[in-house]
Amino acid sequence: DQQVKQNSPSLSVQEGRISILNCDYTNSMFDYFLWYKKYPAEGPTFLISISSIKDKNEDGRFTVFLNKSAKHLSLHIVPSQPGDSAVYFCAARLSGNTPLVFGKGTRLSVIA
Amino acid sequence: DAGITQSPRHKVTETGTPVTLRCHQTENHRYMYWYRQDPGHGLRLIHYSYGVKDTDKGEVSDGYSVSRSKTEDFLLTLESATSSQTSVYFCAISVQSSLNTIYFGEGSWLTVV
Repeated sequence: DQQVKQNSPSLSVQEGRISILNCDYTNSMFDYFLWYKKYPAEGPTFLISISSIKDKNEDGRFTVFLNKSAKHLSLHIVPSQPGDSAVYFCAARLSGNTPLVFGKGTRLSVIA
Repeated sequence: DAGITQSPRHKVTETGTPVTLRCHQTENHRYMYWYRQDPGHGLRLIHYSYGVKDTDKGEVSDGYSVSRSKTEDFLLTLESATSSQTSVYFCAISVQSSLNTIYFGEGSWLTVV
């Protein structure tokens, strides 16, 4: 049973517009959520995270929103740039150093 | 740069042969992980370690073993490689000073023919 779900395998957005990537989870005990970006032939790179006690975290063009009641988080990228084209993985953790549980990823294509 | 080095970066091997992938870290982090990435499956945990000689299984541990005899090295072994183990393998570490955020290595591409 998949605990972290990214239901959109792909997303295409025009340069300059907002990209919204979504993630749903089933385990209400998750206390920390992260987004990773992955380019082809490279390892995933950490992008942004949010604790379960917050509902928003912002870092430059990237904002993550957490809706605990809906068990949903989203990553907003504004404005989108061609260099943002990558696969984005949502991940969640129970506590401390427990391993991350990943979604299957969403491939974002930003079109110039 | 999380100070993680994976080797080999690319390997082609035959079915039935043993294969060992090495993950080396330079910063004495306690927690280390091995994930595999496959199309349609995302990143799945194989094994992880929470200290020297302390390891535990992940979601897809069948056919894999691990060892950690030194803090800096975490080895993943495929005892008898099968075609279903063709994948990209990522090692990761947990950085306590960064709220236990996990950082990944560059990956090891393994093809089993």
